[in-house]
Amino acid sequence: AQSVTQLDSHVSVSEGTPVLLRCNYSSSYSPSLFWYVQHPNKGLQLLLKYTSAATLVKGINGFEAEFKKSETSFHLTKPSAHMSDAAEYFCVVRGPFSGGYNKLIFGAGTRLAVHP
Amino acid sequence: DTAVSQTPKYLVTQMGNDKSIKCEQNLGHDTMYWYKQDSKKFLKIMFSYNNKELIINETVPNRFSPKSPDKAHLNLHINSLELGDSAVYFCASSHVRDRSYNEQFFGPGTRLTVL
Repeated sequence: AQSVTQLDSHVSVSEGTPVLLRCNYSSSYSPSLFWYVQHPNKGLQLLLKYTSAATLVKGINGFEAEFKKSETSFHLTKPSAHMSDAAEYFCVVRGPFSGGYNKLIFGAGTRLAVHP
Repeated sequence: DTAVSQTPKYLVTQMGNDKSIKCEQNLGHDTMYWYKQDSKKFLKIMFSYNNKELIINETVPNRFSPKSPDKAHLNLHINSLELGDSAVYFCASSHVRDRSYNEQFFGPGTRLTVL
């Protein structure tokens, strides 16, 4: 079965310092993995996606994630946090094929707080 | 702007009432979804439609009835609202050609509060 575990429910960083949001996945086949961001009272926006191409994936707003099969991880990083990065972040894995389509399975989310 | 839009943004109602949430996408996608996000921010798919046909139906009470008049619209009707229905409901869409990674585009959400 496919699943994702986000290891931290809350992460707090200072502006200008690096960001690390951790995600481990479980998948019985080669996974497709995503990071989505949800700003307060907003919908979800795709940050980046891994679909078995390059293991280091670059996304929007300076974020990137590295797929590590040996560690079953897909951690999200950013070299320097900005105040506007404060949001909820979701790690997502493509789920089982059902009814002709793949479902998305969401992690529980990590709330990122950025302090001045 | 091309987007997924939902109405209303906020919905406050009494237990036992019937309410509907509307969703429209102008991205040319042929697959639409409803998700429920609970108070702990956990997101779970409820339904998915492709070309007006139901393709995913998770274990959702039959008080919830999705309706897709055309592939650009997916509405959610809820009968006999209960306190536990309070949540944020997100609509999303994708194109079936992209099933290899199933990128979905989300609406802004509808916050439903049942009193």
